[in-house]
Amino acid sequence: DAGVIQSPRHEVTEMGQEVTLRCKPISGHNSLFWYRQTMMRGLELLIYFNNNVPIDDSGMPEDRFSAKMPNASFSTLKIQPSEPRDSAVYFCASSLRLTVAGYEQYFGPGTRLTVT
Amino acid sequence: AQTVTQSQPEMSVQEAETVTLSCTYDTSESDYYLFWYKQPPSRQMILVIRQEAYKQQNATENRFSVNFQKAAKSFSLKISDSQLGDAAMYFCAYRRRSGNTPLVFGKGTRLSVIA
Repeated sequence: DAGVIQSPRHEVTEMGQEVTLRCKPISGHNSLFWYRQTMMRGLELLIYFNNNVPIDDSGMPEDRFSAKMPNASFSTLKIQPSEPRDSAVYFCASSLRLTVAGYEQYFGPGTRLTVT
Repeated sequence: AQTVTQSQPEMSVQEAETVTLSCTYDTSESDYYLFWYKQPPSRQMILVIRQEAYKQQNATENRFSVNFQKAAKSFSLKISDSQLGDAAMYFCAYRRRSGNTPLVFGKGTRLSVIA
């Protein structure tokens, strides 16, 4: 299995531009999580989905952030408009729900976003 | 809300020696999982070890072991025979057992290994 795939690996954009981060979870996994990592706040949850349905988006900082999961094999995190304070590493993770082994989350390599 | 605290922002250890990283957590739940993740400079999050709260026996994975003290809500990681490749950020994380809920992370401990 290829693991969790995220694209792009690096993104540099100017303030005000739209940014779209993409994630392909491990095949067969039915939970997907978006985390953000910054020096100041560490690793924090932004949103997560079970069976493509958003369960908790309380970590999404503001309306500029939106996430979708149109099918079991794809999710996007969009920032519009982007701001310098959005600069961070964004991780996607997936796991298999309600199984004995379903407690492990598998992380993608992350997307390093820089907003200038 | 659950919280995870790692009180050691940085630690160092001599190669081949043993080091212990501390973690405490706060929860009102009785059933949960605890994890240690390693993040090397590549930034990939790598699961090092996990502990189910209902198990009294401490988890071990080769050179990595934990000291799980449920009553004290303490979950420390011991790395034996430290190797240069162990140098990384280490994150302690908590997750409720019910459902497939998100991880709650500590702020991390940066471990340096001195040759």
